[in-house]
Amino acid sequence: EGVLTQSPGTLSLSPGERATLSCRASQSVSSNYLAWYQQKPGQAPRLLIYGTSSRATGIPDRFSGGGSGTDFTLTISRLEPEDFAVYYCQQYGSSPREYTFGQGTKLEIK
Amino acid sequence: EVQLLESGGGLEQPGGSLRLSCAASGFTFNTYAMSWVRQAPGKGLEWVSTVSGSGDSTYYADSVKGRFTISRDNSKNTLYLQMNSLRAEDTAVYHCAKGPWGYFDDWGQGTLVTVSS
Repeated sequence: EGVLTQSPGTLSLSPGERATLSCRASQSVSSNYLAWYQQKPGQAPRLLIYGTSSRATGIPDRFSGGGSGTDFTLTISRLEPEDFAVYYCQQYGSSPREYTFGQGTKLEIK
Repeated sequence: EVQLLESGGGLEQPGGSLRLSCAASGFTFNTYAMSWVRQAPGKGLEWVSTVSGSGDSTYYADSVKGRFTISRDNSKNTLYLQMNSLRAEDTAVYHCAKGPWGYFDDWGQGTLVTVSS
């Protein structure tokens, strides 16, 4: 079973700054099967990025994803007040079929 | 607009059973795999189970294998999770989620399951 480790655990930044969130896998992940989600308190998670770098419907272009193999990143180019939330990466393994989430990165206002 | 509405959560004693439901609308239900993902209070997301669009194939996390059963009724556009032999560590908000294989593109708000004596 693959393990995803996100860093940092908490990231303190100001609106307008650039945020870079990291997700490291214990074994190589197909670029087709790496996704990112945003979750705000009391809300369901929202899909941001799938297939490593494809933005989901309605996601602003300040969100971008990249990486390959075992190292992946989510970048928010200029933070807006509504971007402060918890972010999770997620991988999918096709054999056996299973999903794994990282432990999350909390992005907080500095 | 996709809507996923979970129900069936509540307080149950250790060793007990609960059945969760997820009513789906706004998309062609039988063409999508459906999943359950849970979140313990103050914790991260944990995948629980997935069922294929036809219902023929099911997959489970090791933590629930042998205790939980996922199923679907495509005539009713409804997803289910039968939870038996409940443990305290099963306490969580349970979300149903839709998606092609690989990720979850729509989520329900969730239903809270509390396992406690």
